[in-house]
Amino acid sequence: GQQVMQIPQYQHVQEGEDFTTYCNSSTTLSNIQWYKQRPGGHPVFLIQLVKSGEVKKQKRLTFQFGEAKKNSSLHITATQTTDVGTYFCAGLRYNFNKFYFGSGTKLNVKP
Amino acid sequence: GAVVSQHPSRVICKSGTSVKIECRSLDFQATTMFWYRQFPKKSLMLMATSNEGSKATYEQGVEKDKFLINHASLTLSTLTVTSAHPEDSSFYICSARDGSAYEQYFGPGTRLTVT
Repeated sequence: GQQVMQIPQYQHVQEGEDFTTYCNSSTTLSNIQWYKQRPGGHPVFLIQLVKSGEVKKQKRLTFQFGEAKKNSSLHITATQTTDVGTYFCAGLRYNFNKFYFGSGTKLNVKP
Repeated sequence: GAVVSQHPSRVICKSGTSVKIECRSLDFQATTMFWYRQFPKKSLMLMATSNEGSKATYEQGVEKDKFLINHASLTLSTLTVTSAHPEDSSFYICSARDGSAYEQYFGPGTRLTVT
């Protein structure tokens, strides 16, 4: 079965506050991807992490891959209303040719 | 970026009929396509992996005789929901992968309503 968990399920923040979503896998992952899905839209690829302990930044977004390659996080600094949406992680297990999506974290930002 | 289209975007059908959904990669060749199902406010559930020229690989619990997948070319995969029932109503999304790249490009999705 699919074994990628994501918390929290929902997060409501005031504009300007920070936001973090966490992704955990029961098995070691080959790599992990992050996607954003706006309300009514489809998932859009944000980034892929491959190396143990890897940290990547995209403007206000910081992505981390754990040392054991079992967990990952996405941190948004100083959220804006344009950050609203659901953020999904998707993990690729070794020897598997497909990604399994986490349950997603829905972010709501109040102006 | 790479573009994936899906058709139709919305479909309403009667219980017992079959519905075909098309997924096309418009500007790249997709050696692998994936079909997902998304329930309201839920995550994407992988249904099957479709490789061009071979049979699709279905996830546990997904009936292959009910959800027929055909990946006839490097730019087209189809999902046919056979003998649809109201519980099949959902949002179906395909994604495509270009060769050895792991990034997935998602289609806009198809909203299926079975009455």
